[in-house]
Amino acid sequence: QVQLQQSGAELAKPGSSVKISCKASGYTFTSYYISWIKQTTGQGLEYIGYINTGSGGTNYNEKFKGKATLTVDKSSSTAFMQLSSLTPDDSAVYYCALTGFWGPGTMVTVSS
Amino acid sequence: DIVMTQAPLSVSVTPGESASISCRSSKSLLHSNGITYVYWYLQKPGKSPQLLIYRMSNLASGVPDRFSGSGSETDFTLKISRVEAEDVGIYYCGQLLENPYTFGAGTKLELK
Repeated sequence: QVQLQQSGAELAKPGSSVKISCKASGYTFTSYYISWIKQTTGQGLEYIGYINTGSGGTNYNEKFKGKATLTVDKSSSTAFMQLSSLTPDDSAVYYCALTGFWGPGTMVTVSS
Repeated sequence: DIVMTQAPLSVSVTPGESASISCRSSKSLLHSNGITYVYWYLQKPGKSPQLLIYRMSNLASGVPDRFSGSGSETDFTLKISRVEAEDVGIYYCGQLLENPYTFGAGTKLELK
């Protein structure tokens, strides 16, 4: 069955970067785009963007351009999202997702 | 960005009764291909969102037929017949018509 396995929780300092992984299994990795979504208590669900897992092409929400960088490693069926120049506002749960299936989420906490 | 407005923000339902959740989009979600790109998700406590309904009225795999979706180009309804304890959680509508995809603020369903 389809599985999206995400990396563990991150505690990061303001100004630093983190890279979250999303390892897919149970389907042909390059058949579906992978999206990334941010969830906070205050802002709810925010769409960050998606990556074409076949070509590596990306499409970002303007709000997250410069903040998030999406990449993919086809050899390991893994998608990655790097978040840079972290601030406390980046503290959230981040999900990778297919249209019909979401990963378990990765909690990122930004604190000095 | 397309704004998705849900109502009510919370609903309390007696088990066995039905519940309806509304969602309104700030722009038509009807594509020229005839498909209406509104989706419904349920986030159970401590879990990631799961897909219930796709393209306005199509039941996702494994979802009980107590759930149904309907609507027009901008007004949508999720109906849950015969509410059960496992239906507790937060329901979100989302639009996947144009980037950035956007979501409603969520409707919390509780049992009386």
